[in-house]
Amino acid sequence: DAKTTQPTSMDCAEGRAANLPCNHSTISGNEYVYWYRQIHSQGPQYIIHGLKNNETNEMASLIITEDRKSSTLILPHATLRDTAVYYCIVRGLHGGATNKLIFGTGTLLAVQP
Amino acid sequence: NAGVTQTPKFQVLKTGQSMTLQCAQDMNHNSMYWYRQDPGMGLRLIYYSASEGTTDKGEVPNGYNVSRLNKREFSLRLESAAPSQTSVYFCASSKTSGQAYNEQFFGPGTRLTVL
Repeated sequence: DAKTTQPTSMDCAEGRAANLPCNHSTISGNEYVYWYRQIHSQGPQYIIHGLKNNETNEMASLIITEDRKSSTLILPHATLRDTAVYYCIVRGLHGGATNKLIFGTGTLLAVQP
Repeated sequence: NAGVTQTPKFQVLKTGQSMTLQCAQDMNHNSMYWYRQDPGMGLRLIYYSASEGTTDKGEVPNGYNVSRLNKREFSLRLESAAPSQTSVYFCASSKTSGQAYNEQFFGPGTRLTVL
């Protein structure tokens, strides 16, 4: 699985868009980009995933560059409850049963009032 | 629909004691996982079960054993606890494994301290 690089921390004003970057320059053609987040003291929560097209759901949007070497998670209107550690994970199909998600240290997003 | 539940929420053990962490899911998922998270770190996979009746080692299996009791339940056992096993333990489940779309649902965690 490709390694990802994320900033350690970011701040965002409440009500503004939060844009969280992720570099995955060694991503291969069949690897997906996943985003999870972990609010303090809780288990991680799935946000969104994508392969090469931009994706949007009720929580966020995922923008993947054309060369797929980086992506950005966008929370359109950040609230205080969005303060969390955000993990960018790259994973592809495996022939066996492995379903390992490799969590790095993520980006701590602090939404400021 | 409770999702993934874990018991206990907190536990303090002395070195050498044993205990079993329990996990259950009510989403009819095939695959279940155990992770540990040390302070300031990301999650690391201990063991997983791709389907009922199968278990496999993850990144950090030493000192742990698991049992997939049935489709719903997946337990993690520490036979002889060590201070290095002080951590927060998360159980997760997903519909399948080995698939690209593998959203995992996580439980609330068990906070374990080994003295």
